[in-house]
Amino acid sequence: KAGVTQTPRYLIKTRGQQVTLSCSPISGHRSVSWYQQTPGQGLQFLFEYFSETQRNKGNFPGRFSGRQFSNSRSEMNVSTLELGDSALYLCASSLQAPNEKLFFGSGTQLSVL
Amino acid sequence: AQSVTQLDSQVPVFEEAPVELRCNYSSSVSVYLFWYVQYPNQGLQLLLKYLSGSTLVKGINGFEAEFNKSQTSFHLRKPSVHISDTAEYFCAVTTLSGGSNYKLTFGKGTLLTVNP
Repeated sequence: KAGVTQTPRYLIKTRGQQVTLSCSPISGHRSVSWYQQTPGQGLQFLFEYFSETQRNKGNFPGRFSGRQFSNSRSEMNVSTLELGDSALYLCASSLQAPNEKLFFGSGTQLSVL
Repeated sequence: AQSVTQLDSQVPVFEEAPVELRCNYSSSVSVYLFWYVQYPNQGLQLLLKYLSGSTLVKGINGFEAEFNKSQTSFHLRKPSVHISDTAEYFCAVTTLSGGSNYKLTFGKGTLLTVNP
């Protein structure tokens, strides 16, 4: 069974640009969560989706958005990039909800110059 | 709202020594607790979780953790560590109420370094 797949693995952007990150969950998993990981702040929750509905959202500005498709694949978008958006973005999937076992992808390393 | 504090940002130990990584949580309602491990350049993997029942939870790779409700702690232990246990360890909490059970709140992590 394939694990959680995140693409691309690395991304370099400049300030003001926008970026879209993709996440394919494990087959059969319907819950997808996104986290931002930085050395200073650790793992910060961005949002969680289930059956194309956002069930919970973290404390990030509106520049951060996401969506989930009918096949459970998810994307997150960051508009008007800032230097502080440089981070590892992790996607995790579970069958129904994050209070079960979360399976993480290897992440997308975003660098904003 | 729930929160997690990992009391040590770095823990260096020698191979075959015991180790304890400390975690305290804060929540006004019942919680689920987790320990995840992150090896270099990888995502996180679940080590163990506490949902209910026995307060001593055994996980993979010889790790165990004890839930202490009165001290709001969930410390991770291993009696004898190996070089391969070098990684970052994250404690996490979620609650059973409302939308909070749709997210995990993580601590800032403890870097365990096992030296030969």
